[in-house]
Amino acid sequence: EVQLVESGGGLVQPGRSLKLSCAASGFTFSNYGMAWVRQAPTKGLEWVATISYDGSSTYYRDSVKGRFTISRDNAKSTLYLQMDSLRSEDTATYYCARHVVSFDYWGQGVMVTVSS
Amino acid sequence: DIVLTQSPALAVSLGQRATISCRASQSVSISRYNLMHWYQQKPGQQPKLLIYRASNLASGIPARFSGSGSGTDFTLTINPVQADDIATYYCQQSRESPPTFGGGTKLELK
Repeated sequence: EVQLVESGGGLVQPGRSLKLSCAASGFTFSNYGMAWVRQAPTKGLEWVATISYDGSSTYYRDSVKGRFTISRDNAKSTLYLQMDSLRSEDTATYYCARHVVSFDYWGQGVMVTVSS
Repeated sequence: DIVLTQSPALAVSLGQRATISCRASQSVSISRYNLMHWYQQKPGQQPKLLIYRASNLASGIPARFSGSGSGTDFTLTINPVQADDIATYYCQQSRESPPTFGGGTKLELK
């Protein structure tokens, strides 16, 4: 059974940093691209970033370029999202997802609140 | 970016057919591949993939869900609607980066 479990969320002040993790199991992690997708409270879904199966390629939405870094450790089957210079508009539930043509499996999500 | 437009809400009776539409601002089809996907999200839960590439049922999804469409117009059909189907439904395109989602259609009971 595919499982994705996020951790690392919480309350953080504007301008500070936070690092999210996503532990994967139930599939060969190193064979798949992975992504982060977020959802602001009461809002819709918004893709944030994707990393290729081997980590050689990364892609970001414009609003997080230069502030967020997606990475992975295939030996640990873990995906990461380093979030720097956080803004109030980054407040959301962050989901990790397996990224094939679609997002075929999702974690339960972790809440990030950016507020002073 | 490709903009996907969905109606905000749809009211339906149990046992009836629900048709949820999604319109793209430009074609999301390449050759015979229609790069539109559908997700279901219940309150407090993560999204779940229902349909990929417009008409392919994802693993474990009941056959009362189906998808159709090509180019810019796509449809998710639930027939018959069951109580467990009350949720918000999102379309998503992978034709171009960035991947984008529709605003969601909340399925409600009439």
